[in-house]
Amino acid sequence: DVKVTQSSRYLVKRTGEKVFLECVQDMDHENMFWYRQDPGLGLRLIYFSYDVKMKEKGDIPEGYSVSREKKERFSLILESASTNQTSMYLCASSFEAREQYFGPGTRLTVT
Amino acid sequence: ELKVEQNPLFLSMQEGKNYTIYCNYSTTSDRLYWYRQDPGKSLESLFVLLSNGAVKQEGRLMASLDTKARLSTLHITAAVHDLSATYFCAVLNYGGSQGNLIFGKGTKLSVKP
Repeated sequence: DVKVTQSSRYLVKRTGEKVFLECVQDMDHENMFWYRQDPGLGLRLIYFSYDVKMKEKGDIPEGYSVSREKKERFSLILESASTNQTSMYLCASSFEAREQYFGPGTRLTVT
Repeated sequence: ELKVEQNPLFLSMQEGKNYTIYCNYSTTSDRLYWYRQDPGKSLESLFVLLSNGAVKQEGRLMASLDTKARLSTLHITAAVHDLSATYFCAVLNYGGSQGNLIFGKGTKLSVKP
């Protein structure tokens, strides 16, 4: 079974803090993705990576950065958290252009 | 730019009834995925449709793909309460890098006794 894990299920941070969300997959997938999910807006792609140290911007990269130093790990960084970044964050991985497997999600609240 | 539209966005149906969710997309693609999401949970893969005319069935759900019409359907037969969830379709975006999916906004299904 493919397993995608995320470091926290729930996170509360203050405005201006630097926030790290970690994602790890155990299936040797090349592709990894970060989405945010908001009511009425569906899933929106923030960043994705198709190889170690490679990254590409998705639809809403502003205010975020990513890091992929190892194949199994993809980190999402909020440099200076703001209240409009309160959301559910979902990580996913895939092999080539195949179905994506999702982690359990991190519900982030920025106060 | 690839756009994916699902309808309806909300669906309330009675147990035992049949209904269809539609997923339209705007540019050529031959890979389409259906996912299910339960409240507070992550997305779970339901079907992978890889070619024109593909049909997959599992239990009371059947998905099909018509790449010429750029349309996929998710048909629910004799709905039961356990099917209450949000269903997403996602289309492979060949215009982007490999593995990039574009998601519809989701259809929230509520099955009532």
